[in-house]
Amino acid sequence: DAGVIQSPRHEVTEMGQEVTLRCKPISGHNSLFWYRQTMMRGLELLIYFNNNVPIDDSGMPEDRFSAKMPNASFSTLKIQPSEPRDSAVYFCASSLRDRKDNEQFFGPGTRLTVL
Amino acid sequence: GQSLEQPSEVTAVEGAIVQINCTYQTSGFYGLSWYQQHDGGAPTFLSYNALDGLEETGRFSSFLSRSDSYGYLLLQELQMKDSASYFCAVRDLGSGYSTLTFGKGTMLLVSP
Repeated sequence: DAGVIQSPRHEVTEMGQEVTLRCKPISGHNSLFWYRQTMMRGLELLIYFNNNVPIDDSGMPEDRFSAKMPNASFSTLKIQPSEPRDSAVYFCASSLRDRKDNEQFFGPGTRLTVL
Repeated sequence: GQSLEQPSEVTAVEGAIVQINCTYQTSGFYGLSWYQQHDGGAPTFLSYNALDGLEETGRFSSFLSRSDSYGYLLLQELQMKDSASYFCAVRDLGSGYSTLTFGKGTMLLVSP
């Protein structure tokens, strides 16, 4: 299996622009998670889906952030408009909901820089 | 809510043993996980403890004491490649769905 795939790997944009991050989970996994990692705040859960349905988006920082999962093999995280404080590494992770050890498989991340 | 405490940095030499502690305060607890992250890389799963005691996987072991809200990761026979950040994470089953809350991470520096 190719693992969790994220694109782009790096994104540099200007404040006010729309940013769309993409994720393809591991085939057969039914849970998908979006995280944001910064030095100050660490690894934060933004939103998670189960069977393509958003379960909890309480970690989404503002209305500027939105996420979708139109099917089992694709999810997007959108920031509109972007701001410099959104600069971070964004990880997507997937897992099997009933897996005993609760292992989450992380993608390589998207490093976002908002100027 | 959840809060986790772990040291920010630990240093050790090759071949040594190091222990990374994690204490947590949670409203709901179902287990403690450990993840490793190399600089610029993705977090990768190391271990999971749902019950009290020690779990061993090769050079790495993880311990949990639910009554003390405490766990640790033990790394033996340290190698240079073990230099990385290590995160403890609490598993929560709120609303019947499993999520993780991560600590801020411990940077392990292994020197020759």
